[in-house]
Amino acid sequence: EIVLTQSPATLSLSPGERATLSCRASQSVSYYLAWYQQKPGQAPRLLIYDASNRATGIPARFSGSGSGTDFTLTISSLEPEDFAVYYCQQRSSWRTFGQGTKVEIK
Amino acid sequence: QVQLVQSGAEVKKPGASVKVSCKASGYSLTSYDINWVRQATGHGLEWMGWVIPNSGSTGYAQKFRGRVTMTWNTSISTAYMELSSLRSEDTAVYYCVRVFNNEFDYWGQGTLVTVSS
Repeated sequence: EIVLTQSPATLSLSPGERATLSCRASQSVSYYLAWYQQKPGQAPRLLIYDASNRATGIPARFSGSGSGTDFTLTISSLEPEDFAVYYCQQRSSWRTFGQGTKVEIK
Repeated sequence: QVQLVQSGAEVKKPGASVKVSCKASGYSLTSYDINWVRQATGHGLEWMGWVIPNSGSTGYAQKFRGRVTMTWNTSISTAYMELSSLRSEDTAVYYCVRVFNNEFDYWGQGTLVTVSS
């Protein structure tokens, strides 16, 4: 099973700041990595697919990069609605999720 | 519009089984895969497996093999996930998810399954 490790576990930032979230895979997943956002009491929402492609309706402040084993989700300037938990997910070999990174208001 | 509507909350005793349903509307169930994901309270997302209504194929995460069965009923556009030999660690919200272009695009509202004696 491919293990995804996200860091940091919690990111404390202020609105307007840049957020950088990391996801590392235990073996190469090529570019088959997606990012999801989850707010309390809601189902997750797809943000980024295939490492760097924004899903429909996702604002341009969200961007993804990486390939192989190291991936990054960047939020260029945090909006109040961006404070949430973010998960990466691979589909290279079956599917697994990372444990999540919580972006909280500082 | 696309909707996945799941069955209501369940309370089960250890050792019992639970069957969660997921009714699709706004599209043809046989056109897309359905995956199941669960989330224990305060924890992350855990992928359980998939069912492809069009072919009858299923695939389960190793952790759940032997305990989970994913099926569908095309005539009523409903997918099912049955988990047996329940234990307290199975207490979680269970989601059905549609797969479009390999990604999870629509999620059900979630079904809370509580396992308690």
